[in-house]
Amino acid sequence: AQSVAQPEDQVNVAEGNPLTVKCTYSVSGNPYLFWYVQYPNRGLQFLLKYITGDNLVKGSYGFEAEFNKSQTSFHLKKPSALVSDSALYFCAVRDPNNRLAFGKGNQVVVIP
Amino acid sequence: GAGVSQSPSNKVTEKGKDVELRCDPISGHTALYWYRQSLGQGLEFLIYFQGNSAPDKSGLPSDRFSAERTGGSVSTLTIQRTQQEDSAVYLCASSLGGQGINQPQHFGDGTRLSIL
Repeated sequence: AQSVAQPEDQVNVAEGNPLTVKCTYSVSGNPYLFWYVQYPNRGLQFLLKYITGDNLVKGSYGFEAEFNKSQTSFHLKKPSALVSDSALYFCAVRDPNNRLAFGKGNQVVVIP
Repeated sequence: GAGVSQSPSNKVTEKGKDVELRCDPISGHTALYWYRQSLGQGLEFLIYFQGNSAPDKSGLPSDRFSAERTGGSVSTLTIQRTQQEDSAVYLCASSLGGQGINQPQHFGDGTRLSIL
């Protein structure tokens, strides 16, 4: 079965520092990977996806993610974190039946 | 443009009552999904509609849960004889589906269901 793992519960980072949120995947076949962000009392907002092509994917709000096949990882990154980036981040993989399987989520706290 | 709309935004009801949750997808999106988000279980897939095909109901946790999608647009998730463990946020998402299957799912803000 397709799955993703987000090993950390919370990521704390100082404003202006680089932000990394980790995700590893387990799939049979080609991975179709997504990152979403959730603000309090809101639904999930799409940030970026990897389907095929370049390993570095650029997305919304200055976020990017690096697909690494040998390490089966798809870490989310932002060069300089903002306080407004504080939110819950979900990694997800699309399964062959077109459903999304989500990781447990990572709470990101950006400290002013 | 309009996004995915869900109603009500909050619902409080007594154990044993039935509830209906509504989802209005983005116009033109043929695929519609329901997920449940709860503290202990994270985000769980419930059901998936694609066009006129039979829905994928494999994620529904019990026969108390059902969903329908009328006219390929609006969807209703019904929970009968609610239990306290049904308390969660119910999220609806839609996407292009079909040839656009790798396009992202767009989520509504959810319905927060509380069972007393």
